[in-house]
Amino acid sequence: DAMVIQNPRYQVTQFGKPVTLSCSQTLNHNVMYWYQQKSSQAPKLLFHYYDKDFNNEADTPDNFQSRRPNTSFCFLDIRSPGLGDAAMYLCATSREQGGVVGYTFGSGTRLTVV
Amino acid sequence: QKEVEQNSGPLSVPEGAIASLNCTYSDRGSQSFFWYRQYSGKSPELIMFIYSNGDKEDGRFTAQLNKASQYVSLLIRDSQPSDSATYLCAVKGQTSGTYKYIFGTGTRLKVLA
Repeated sequence: DAMVIQNPRYQVTQFGKPVTLSCSQTLNHNVMYWYQQKSSQAPKLLFHYYDKDFNNEADTPDNFQSRRPNTSFCFLDIRSPGLGDAAMYLCATSREQGGVVGYTFGSGTRLTVV
Repeated sequence: QKEVEQNSGPLSVPEGAIASLNCTYSDRGSQSFFWYRQYSGKSPELIMFIYSNGDKEDGRFTAQLNKASQYVSLLIRDSQPSDSATYLCAVKGQTSGTYKYIFGTGTRLKVLA
């Protein structure tokens, strides 16, 4: 089945130790998004790629970076995780910008910072 | 004012009843409206989307849109315990050529057996 896959499902990292979360898709969608969701809060868009064009949200901390080496894969790098970065990280895709028929989400990676 | 507002709940309904979930939005230029279901600890799953004023039905779900009043609702008929989840409203608009896709904080629904 075509889908969006995130690895790992659970990630524990040490305070200040760089961590990378990965997302892959078999939908051949042009757009890939990274969202951060904290408990009982709305998903917050960090950035997205439209093909190779990177679009950063104005309030995304510099600590967060992303790479999209090809259509299928997208990575979220957190350079120096702080306790406040503990959250669920959601990868989503859409065929076009804005997701005319909505987004397809991966299963998420829950990040714990110790 | 929040861009997309939802009552956080929990909204408790008995099994078999109709659950009514509401969402208001502030951007009058919003174009598309989406409902996602999110089980605890899981990722959001798209249930329905609606573009035009009026009702759109899909099985037990009906989305209702009123652009003049800037609200969108989701009705779940014959509610089941498996419908217990958080329902996220998302609104898509376009500002200065850039698409904005804003989520609400969600309404937690509890269907009581």
